[in-house]
Amino acid sequence: GQNIDQPTEMTATEGAIVQINCTYQTSGFNGLFWYQQHAGEAPTFLSYNVLDGLEEKGRFSSFLSRSKGYSYLLLKELQMKDSASYLCAVGDSGAGSYQLTFGKGTKLSVIP
Amino acid sequence: EAGVTQSPTHLIKTRGQQVTLRCSPISGHTSVYWYQQALGLGLQFLLWYDEGEERNRGNFPPRFSGRQFPNYSSELNVNALELEDSALYLCASNFDKITQYFGPGTRLTVL
Repeated sequence: GQNIDQPTEMTATEGAIVQINCTYQTSGFNGLFWYQQHAGEAPTFLSYNVLDGLEEKGRFSSFLSRSKGYSYLLLKELQMKDSASYLCAVGDSGAGSYQLTFGKGTKLSVIP
Repeated sequence: EAGVTQSPTHLIKTRGQQVTLRCSPISGHTSVYWYQQALGLGLQFLLWYDEGEERNRGNFPPRFSGRQFPNYSSELNVNALELEDSALYLCASNFDKITQYFGPGTRLTVL
């Protein structure tokens, strides 16, 4: 089974940097994903980590430590449009399946 | 490239009724996944279809079912609707069984 934990809510200031943490316990690991979801909209793919280390993509970076069951999403130069929920998801390759198990999401509010 | 499409956008039903939701994956994607996102809860995995076959299902009762057609589009059927089935139903697709791309969802309200 899977267990994914991330903070429920965070608040940060426009222009600042924020780090959203995610811890997980998994039986069959097939990568860790971050999605952004604006209220009432579909999740949008942000990043995918399958190996340890940092992946950078513009203002967003994602880090993975498989041995610690830990990931974070780093958002730099925050903009008001970054206010959204950020979903951590783990890919499960156990039993031949490739489904994603999602955390409940972290609601990020960016304030002026 | 067109993204994942879903229909209808919104739906209102009453308890006990049946509903069918539709999803068209991105061209070239053979896998379709269905998720339920109830208010205040995370995305819950419902069903996974690949190459026309059901590959896995989540912890949902049998009244949640679906199928995938030869063109890889998919339907999700929910029978005997209950109030707690009110949620956003999301469909996602991929071709490499790794990154899933989501459609806009169908908002189902059960009265």
